[in-house]
Amino acid sequence: EDKVVQSPLSLVVHEGDTVTLNCSYEVTNFRSLLWYKQEKKAPTFLFMLTSSGIEKKSGRLSSILDKKELFSILNITATQTGDSAIYLCAVEAGSYQLTFGKGTKLSVIP
Amino acid sequence: DTAVSQTPKYLVTQMGNDKSIKCEQNLGHDTMYWYKQDSKKFLKIMFSYNNKELIINETVPNRFSPKSPDKAHLNLHINSLELGDSAVYFCASSQDPPDKAFFGQGTRLTVV
Repeated sequence: EDKVVQSPLSLVVHEGDTVTLNCSYEVTNFRSLLWYKQEKKAPTFLFMLTSSGIEKKSGRLSSILDKKELFSILNITATQTGDSAIYLCAVEAGSYQLTFGKGTKLSVIP
Repeated sequence: DTAVSQTPKYLVTQMGNDKSIKCEQNLGHDTMYWYKQDSKKFLKIMFSYNNKELIINETVPNRFSPKSPDKAHLNLHINSLELGDSAVYFCASSQDPPDKAFFGQGTRLTVV
């Protein structure tokens, strides 16, 4: 059975801190790994990673995939209160289905 | 011990047909959701439902309707399927008030 594990499950940091969120996976026929930011009800797409070692960057957020060690990290630098959300990692396998992790709940306090 | 399960995983059907996708959660959550994933991997919420309230995204065509026989199930019924309905549909659930959502693995719908 495909498995995606995120850590930590929750995290509290101060504004300005840098955070690293982890996602490890075991799936059959890996296609891609996706990161979403969930606020309220609809997850917002952040990144899709398919190749190892290539960093994807968007503003203060960046992510990288290691297909050999089967994990990805999501970095957020200079965190702001608006970064408070649940960050979901999902892995797309051969059938276009996604297996989601349980999410990391990030709280950024002023 | 699957938390949120959807059936079927794949569905291929002809235009004009009516079809349903089932979703069940064994987490005791109060709220369930349906999402549509587009070709850019964006997840668009279609419905959220608990035993008190159904919230419909107004952009969803009325050919789509959620049906909840009980708190653990929220099925998605689609009438008069169109080619543009082809997508992967995800079910999810969460506690009320909404916290982390647990997702099913998706149903890939192909309309031909």
